[in-house]
Amino acid sequence: EDQVTQSPEALRLQEGESSSLNCSYTVSGLRGLFWYRQDPGKGPEFLFTLYSAGEEKEKERLKATLTKKESFLHITAPKPEDSATYLCAAGDSTGTYKYIFGTGTRLKVLA
Amino acid sequence: GAGVSQSPSNKVTEKGKDVELRCDPISGHTALYWYRQSLGQGLEFLIYFQGNSAPDKSGLPSDRFSAERTGGSVSTLTIQRTQQEDSAVYLCASSASSNQPQHFGDGTRLSIL
Repeated sequence: EDQVTQSPEALRLQEGESSSLNCSYTVSGLRGLFWYRQDPGKGPEFLFTLYSAGEEKEKERLKATLTKKESFLHITAPKPEDSATYLCAAGDSTGTYKYIFGTGTRLKVLA
Repeated sequence: GAGVSQSPSNKVTEKGKDVELRCDPISGHTALYWYRQSLGQGLEFLIYFQGNSAPDKSGLPSDRFSAERTGGSVSTLTIQRTQQEDSAVYLCASSASSNQPQHFGDGTRLSIL
């Protein structure tokens, strides 16, 4: 069965303390690995798409990487405004449109 | 507007009532999706529309759930005879095509009393 698992469930960082969030997936014939940010009471906001192992994408303090079994979201020198829930999703093997979401990592960055 | 718009933002109703949730996708996006987000769980795929093709309804949890998309734009998700387990946030997303990233609205928070 296709599955996406995120860890840790929650993470507290001091401002400036870099860390990584993990997304492990078991999807045959992966068709895209997607990262989203979700603020309380809001819908997920698209961040990155990764398609093949070795691919990397960057945006401000965030960098996403992909291997054959997992993806990492690296946060460099985070700021309080980076506090949010980060979701990853895999396009499943039956079609590019049917995303399988993990349950997310709740990130809190303390000033 | 520039993004996906959903209404109402909040809905409280009594068990057994029917509810309709509305989604206005980003203009020009041909693909539209509905998801359900429950506390402590990941987003759950419900249904997918692509242009004039038959929708993929494989994620609908029961026959009390139905959705339509009129004119290839606005979509309505209907839940009949609501149950308490239907309480969740219902999210709509759209994309330019099925292999482009999905962009989400802010959802409808549905509470069944």
